Amino acid sequence: NAGVTQTPKFHILKTGQSMTLQCAQDMNHGYMSWYRQDPGMGLRLIYYSAAAGTTDKEVPNGYNVSRLNTEDFPLRLVSAAPSQTSVYLCASRTRGTTTYEQYFGPGTRLTVT
Amino acid sequence: AQRVTQPEKLLSVFKGAPVELKCNYSYSGSPELFWYVQYSRQRLQLLLRHISRESIKGFTADLNKGETSFHLKKPFAQEEDSAMYYCALKRSGYSTLTFGKGTMLLVSP
Repeated sequence: NAGVTQTPKFHILKTGQSMTLQCAQDMNHGYMSWYRQDPGMGLRLIYYSAAAGTTDKEVPNGYNVSRLNTEDFPLRLVSAAPSQTSVYLCASRTRGTTTYEQYFGPGTRLTVT
Repeated sequence: AQRVTQPEKLLSVFKGAPVELKCNYSYSGSPELFWYVQYSRQRLQLLLRHISRESIKGFTADLNKGETSFHLKKPFAQEEDSAMYYCALKRSGYSTLTFGKGTMLLVSP
């Protein structure tokens, strides 16, 4: 299993441009999440999905997601702003209630100029 | 609202010294607490969870509901323990985690 994969690893975007960060998992996990990781700020949840066809957001505006199938959970930056410069982490976990281990991807380092 | 506080941004110790990374939380319900670790150039991964009451890589953490704390401890630090450590909380009935801001542990030879 590849686990959780993310592409691209790095990207530079100009203010106002849009972009989609890709995330995929091959573990048949129901839950998937997107976090941003900033120095001194820890991890902040952006969006999560409990299953294909459902999504829920934690922070307003600037981001969109879709969950068309179990494997993929792309994150779209609609109109990039410098405040969205960050490392974006995708995670997945099983739907079971007896364990709660999130599996993280390697991250996408995004710079908005 | 729930909150996870890690008061130290950086903790620097010498090899063989005891280590305690602090984590305090605020949540009115019954929480589940976790420690995640990120080694240099590696993915964030689960270190341990309070429900399991396990010791991983010599680390232990006990949930103290009276003090609302979940401190991570190791009696003798090793250089390979150098990493970023995050404490995380899961609320009862919810699927998501709330993370603290993280503590960088540096273990010097």
